[in-house]
Amino acid sequence: EAQVTQNPRYLITVTGKKLTVTCSQNMNHEYMSWYRQDPGLGLRQIYYSMNVEVTDKGDVPEGYKVSRKEKRNFPLILESPSPNQTSLYFCASSLSPDYNEQFFGPGTRLTVL
Amino acid sequence: GENVEQHPSTLSVQEGDSAVIKCTYSDSASNYFPWYKQELGKRPQLIIDIRSNVGEKKDQRIAVTLNKTAKHFSLHITETQPEDSAVYFCAASNQGGSYIPTFGRGTSLIVHP
Repeated sequence: EAQVTQNPRYLITVTGKKLTVTCSQNMNHEYMSWYRQDPGLGLRQIYYSMNVEVTDKGDVPEGYKVSRKEKRNFPLILESPSPNQTSLYFCASSLSPDYNEQFFGPGTRLTVL
Repeated sequence: GENVEQHPSTLSVQEGDSAVIKCTYSDSASNYFPWYKQELGKRPQLIIDIRSNVGEKKDQRIAVTLNKTAKHFSLHITETQPEDSAVYFCAASNQGGSYIPTFGRGTSLIVHP
């Protein structure tokens, strides 16, 4: 089944404790991205990747890191999480940057205490 | 950067009525305008999109119109059904340019049976 998966789905952590949210797609998509969703603010892009080893900042990259060592995986790293990073995170992928539809993962709800 | 305004933030209609959600954008270089539907607790899913070289696109009960001169685009849902109840997001991006999509803040559509 073609899909985007994220892990974990729920995470409660404390300020400063490094964490990684994994994202994987099995559709051989070139383009992958991370969004955060906050009430009343819609979806905001954190980072995106056009292909392996090619990443770039989105609208709200501060406090986040990403890597794209393999085509299928695009982990999101919070080196020192803070309470303002409490949010719902979505990973998404599409066939190429010019291809229309982005396929979203199921989301990861992160709480930073 | 791009700014996307979406109105209304909530929309309540009776089953069978039509619903219209409007978005305006600021960057004249934006050329791709997707609409996503997000049901409660679920991931966003693309429902329809339009490129800047067309003025209207229709898919069964949903349609999108684009006015490039005025920089606004709208989602039209006819004969609404309770299963149309969800949050709808518009977005604008420059495919071939920055690729970073800017999303509206969302419209919560409630269809009363």
